[in-house]
Amino acid sequence: AQTVTQSQPEMSVQEAETVTLSCTYDTSESDYYLFWYKQPPSRQMILVIRQEAYKQQNATENRFSVNFQKAAKSFSLKISDSQLGDAAMYFCAYRSANTGNQFYFGTGTSLTVIP
Amino acid sequence: DTEVTQTPKHLVMGMTNKKSLKCEQHMGHRAMYWYKQKAKKPPELMFVYSYEKLSINESVPSRFSPECPNSSLLNLHLHALQPEDSALYLCASSRQQAGGANVLTFGAGSRLTVL
Repeated sequence: AQTVTQSQPEMSVQEAETVTLSCTYDTSESDYYLFWYKQPPSRQMILVIRQEAYKQQNATENRFSVNFQKAAKSFSLKISDSQLGDAAMYFCAYRSANTGNQFYFGTGTSLTVIP
Repeated sequence: DTEVTQTPKHLVMGMTNKKSLKCEQHMGHRAMYWYKQKAKKPPELMFVYSYEKLSINESVPSRFSPECPNSSLLNLHLHALQPEDSALYLCASSRQQAGGANVLTFGAGSRLTVL
């Protein structure tokens, strides 16, 4: 099974500042997809951003962007202009392009936004 | 409709009770998932249904019994549970394909407490 590692159990950021959450993964495959999911306290888990491994260009979604380093097997999430509503657990996830239904999740990073 | 709806939101049951969790989606997704999530932990995959057939069973104890009556509905039947089964049970769905569009859409979860 693939391994996804999030080495930062907790992070904090001042409101309006920028924070980067780290994620590394281990795989022998060349074609796969990476995701960041956000789970606010007592709320639904939602997709923040996704990256196709075959694309060199880093994905962006408004204030959220990724730094995808395929050779280093690294997939970090940058949140710009942090807002109070960004406070949540963030999970990095991996899915093989060959097996559509098996998602591997990291252990999560709890992000606190300080007013 | 872009939602996954789970009922009930909260469930308290004794170890001898029989209860069911329900999940519904109308996005035309043909893969449906049950995950178990403990506090501040990543979701753990329990079962995956693909085209209404059980495709992944992650060695879940038999006191959990999944059922997929049709492409829109997913049930999880619970019987003789243990206190350690108390957790948030998440339902998710996705398209049944290996491509990038195959992302998980989660429900809000059913919080189960076993006394």
